[in-house]
Amino acid sequence: DAGVTQSPTHLIKTRGQQVTLRCSPKSGHDTVSWYQQALGQGPQFIFQYYEEEERQRGNFPDRFSGHQFPNYSSELNVNALLLGDSALYLCASSFLGQPQHFGDGTRLSIL
Amino acid sequence: GIQVEQSPPDLILQEGANSTLRCNFSDSVNNLQWFHQNPWGQLINLFYIPSGTKQNGRLSATTVATERYSLLYISSSQTTDSGVYFCAVDDYTGGGNKLTFGTGTQLKVEL
Repeated sequence: DAGVTQSPTHLIKTRGQQVTLRCSPKSGHDTVSWYQQALGQGPQFIFQYYEEEERQRGNFPDRFSGHQFPNYSSELNVNALLLGDSALYLCASSFLGQPQHFGDGTRLSIL
Repeated sequence: GIQVEQSPPDLILQEGANSTLRCNFSDSVNNLQWFHQNPWGQLINLFYIPSGTKQNGRLSATTVATERYSLLYISSSQTTDSGVYFCAVDDYTGGGNKLTFGTGTQLKVEL
């Protein structure tokens, strides 16, 4: 039973570029959440998707957007990248409010 | 939103020692999870414990929901226990169930 999978594992971009990160939830899970973890800090909630709709959003600018597909997989898009967007991006999946399970993350570096 | 604080921020142990990590939260919660983030960034579920006590091998956790705190006990610590320990609570503000993370406890276990 595969857990939460994220791709790519590492990514290097330059300021101003756009990036797309991908997440496949754990089998049986229908809710996907995205978190940003800057170095030395705890994960910060970006947004959550359920039934292909953004259900909840954290305090992140509109440059951060997402999508959930009918198979429950999800994408996180970030436009106009800033140096401060360098972080570990974590995807979590869950079902009906049960515990969230996390993928291994995508480490994004902005030059 | 809910505030989550953890103590101590840093902890150094000799292998074989025991420790207690604390998590305080500012409001009543329906869910509390403990995670271990290893040096490679993987966030591993340890406990889902909204109340009561659970044990898993050398680890155990207790949540006293009425007093808004949770404790994680590590017994006979091993070098593989090193990493950052986070507690996180479900915050239903806004309709979803985002996790609000604490500040973490950085644990280093030495030989």
